Formats: sequence, structure tokens, C-alpha cells
Amino acid sequence: TQLLEQSPQFLSIQEGENLTVYCNSSSVFSSLQWYRQEPGEGPVLLVTVVTGGEVKKLKRLTFQFGDARKDSSLHITAAQPGDTGLYLCAQTGTSGTYKYIFGTGTRLKVLA
Amino acid sequence: NAGVTQTPKFQVLKTGQSMTLQCAQDMNHEYMSWYRQDPGMGLRLIHYSVGAGITDQGEVPNGYNVSRSTTEDFPLRLLSAAPSQTSVYFCASGTSSYEQYFGPGTRLTVT
Repeated sequence: TQLLEQSPQFLSIQEGENLTVYCNSSSVFSSLQWYRQEPGEGPVLLVTVVTGGEVKKLKRLTFQFGDARKDSSLHITAAQPGDTGLYLCAQTGTSGTYKYIFGTGTRLKVLA
Repeated sequence: NAGVTQTPKFQVLKTGQSMTLQCAQDMNHEYMSWYRQDPGMGLRLIHYSVGAGITDQGEVPNGYNVSRSTTEDFPLRLLSAAPSQTSVYFCASGTSSYEQYFGPGTRLTVT
């Protein structure tokens, strides 16, 4: 059974601080996605990574895919209250199937 | 484009009742899926489809049926509702590039 663990579970920081959240798998990913979900809404895709060692940037968000393709991190620079939400990582099944597995998420609160 | 739409937004059922959650997408995506989201459990895949006429089970399929007669629609049927099926249900559609787009969710309570 594939497991996807995210840490920390909860994070509360002041506006302007930097933070990193982590996503670790028990097996090699074919691809990995990061989503943000706000209360009462569906998750919104932030990025997809498929290549080991890949780094992608989305404004103040930096996503890194581990060389061994079993871990990923999301770094936010100068966090803002609008970054508040539940951050979820998801991986495709083995051999690139569409049987997605989601992590349990990191709940981030950025205080003004 | 409306994206992914789900109906209803809220539903209360009694134990043993059946119902269908509707999902439609207008992005011509081949891939569609249903998830449930429970507190502290993240999203768990119920069923998914890679095209019209093709469906497969996810992690938690028991008590749910799906069919995919068109590219646009992917309804989820609860055969005999149980309190353990109280959850928030999300439908998603996606591309072959591993991108998924989620609907707004259906909040279901089974009493």
C-alpha cells in the first residue's frame, strides 16, 4: 500500500515569515501534484512535477521534487494571509496509473 | 467554461436510502474521478474513469457504484446509505498530464 505523509500537520505563522512543508512517500512517484484547498471549496492545482530533482516556481512558492522521486517540498517566501489554506500533495499510482493517492495535508494559517 | 459542476451541494439521507450525486465537466477531459474527504484523512479515491465506458475502483469503493456513458458525466450512486458515508464528496476531471480539476463538493449527511 502506497502511503503519502505530509508534515507538519498544522502550521501557524506571522505574515512575512518563510515556511517549508514536506511530502514523503513509501514508494517512487511517477508524478506528484501540489494543491491548495480553502474551506468549503475543492482543491486547486498549484503544480505538477514529474522529473527527479525538478524545481518549479510559482511567484513566492517554490516546489522541489527529490532526486529519488520519493519526496517533495513546498517553500513559501514571505507568507501572506492569502496563503492560508490546506496544502495537499498527491501522487499517481505505480507505473503512472491514474489511481491517485493524497496526503493528509498541511493546514497553514498566516496571521496578519 | 463552467469547469466541473456537482449537484446537489448539500444532502441529508436516512440510513438505507439511495441517491445519485451528479458530476459534469465541459473540458473534454477523458479522466474523471470521485473522492471523499473526511476530517484528518485527506482525500480518498472512490472510483475513477479513463474514458466513456471504462471505470475502475479506487481505495474505498464499497457501497458506491459509478458508470460513464458520456465523456461529460460521471454520476456516483450510493446504493444503501450508511452513517459511515457521511462525508464531503468531490468530483474531479483531469488530463493525461496528471492535472486534476475539482468541483465544489457535495456535503452528505446520513442519519
